[in-house]
Amino acid sequence: DAGVIQSPRHEVTEMGQEVTLRCKPISGHDYLFWYRQTMMRGLELLIYFNNNVPIDDSGMPEDRFSAKMPNASFSTLKIQPSEPRDSAVYFCASSPYRGSPNYGYTFGSGTRLTVV
Amino acid sequence: GIQVEQSPPDLILQEGANSTLRCNFSDSVNNLQWFHQNPWGQLINLFYIPSGTKQNGRLSATTVATERYSLLYISSSQTTDSGVYFCAVEGGNYGQNFVFGPGTRLSVLP
Repeated sequence: DAGVIQSPRHEVTEMGQEVTLRCKPISGHDYLFWYRQTMMRGLELLIYFNNNVPIDDSGMPEDRFSAKMPNASFSTLKIQPSEPRDSAVYFCASSPYRGSPNYGYTFGSGTRLTVV
Repeated sequence: GIQVEQSPPDLILQEGANSTLRCNFSDSVNNLQWFHQNPWGQLINLFYIPSGTKQNGRLSATTVATERYSLLYISSSQTTDSGVYFCAVEGGNYGQNFVFGPGTRLSVLP
């Protein structure tokens, strides 16, 4: 398996523009997570899905953020409109179900977002 | 929510030295993972260790859930061990929501 694949790797956008981040989880994994990493706040969970269904979105900072998982192999995180304070590295991770012998998170390489 | 502390915040070692990183958590946990973030930003899962001890090469980890801590041991450190080590814990709601600690930044000098 190619692992968790995120795109783009880097994104520079102007304030007010819409940004869409993409994630392809590992095939067969039941859970998908979106995390944000900043120097000030560390790694924060934004939202996670179980079998494509959003379970906990309490970490989504505000209505400008939305996430979808239309099928088991694809998820998007959208920011509209973007603001400079959204600049961060956004990670996607997936995991099998808890009872799986190889349970644990696998992270993608991240998307470094810069909003100017 | 659950609080996670890691110590030390920074650690500088000479190549070949051993080290112990500690993770304390404020409440009972169901699960715990250790991660290494390398200097290029990639997060690598080292251990899934809700309790007991596991070993993988030069790395080993021990979690004592009843005393609310976990330890990560690195033996014979190499420069490639440099980076930030994160502990992540999942609390009692079985929601698969892992909370990350602030990390320990390790620098291994040649």
